[in-house]
Amino acid sequence: NAGVTQTPKFQVLKTGQSMTLQCAQDMNHEYMSWYRQDPGMGLRLIHYSVGAGITDQGEVPNGYNVSRSTTEDFPLRLLSAAPSQTSVYFCASNPTGRSYGYTFGSGTRLTVV
Amino acid sequence: AQRVTQPEKLLSVFKGAPVELKCNYSYSGSPELFWYVQYSRQRLQLLLRHISRESIKGFTADLNKGETSFHLKKPFAQEEDSAMYYCALSNLGQGAQKLVFGQGTRLTINP
Repeated sequence: NAGVTQTPKFQVLKTGQSMTLQCAQDMNHEYMSWYRQDPGMGLRLIHYSVGAGITDQGEVPNGYNVSRSTTEDFPLRLLSAAPSQTSVYFCASNPTGRSYGYTFGSGTRLTVV
Repeated sequence: AQRVTQPEKLLSVFKGAPVELKCNYSYSGSPELFWYVQYSRQRLQLLLRHISRESIKGFTADLNKGETSFHLKKPFAQEEDSAMYYCALSNLGQGAQKLVFGQGTRLTINP
């Protein structure tokens, strides 16, 4: 099993550009989430999904869209990139109803100039 | 509202000394608490779950509901323990297991 795979690992965008961060997991986990990691602020939840076709907003959803058409994939879309979205983004997945804790991807370091 | 507080952004101790990373939480229901660790240039890894009451890499953490704390402890620090540590709380409400993280503590073990 590859676990949780994120692409790309690094990305530089210009203000106003759009892009999609990819996240895929091969563990048949129902729950998937996107977090952003910023110095001094820990990890903050952007969006999450409890299964295919079901998504909801987290703590900091503005400027981001998600969709969950399959169990495996949970892409994060930046609609119009802003410098405030410079961050490290982590995707995570978790089996339904289990307290195992989330499995995280390796992260995407995004810089918006 | 759920909240996790790690009061120390930075913690530096000498090799062989005891380590305690503090974590306090606020939660109205029955929380599930976790410690995650992120070594340099690596992804976050689950270190401990309060439910399992296990010891991993010499670390232990006890959930104290009276003090709403879940401090991480190790009696003798090792250089390889240097990392970023995050305390996290699982929200079982609202039909989803969302993790709420603290701000993190960067632990440095000096030789």
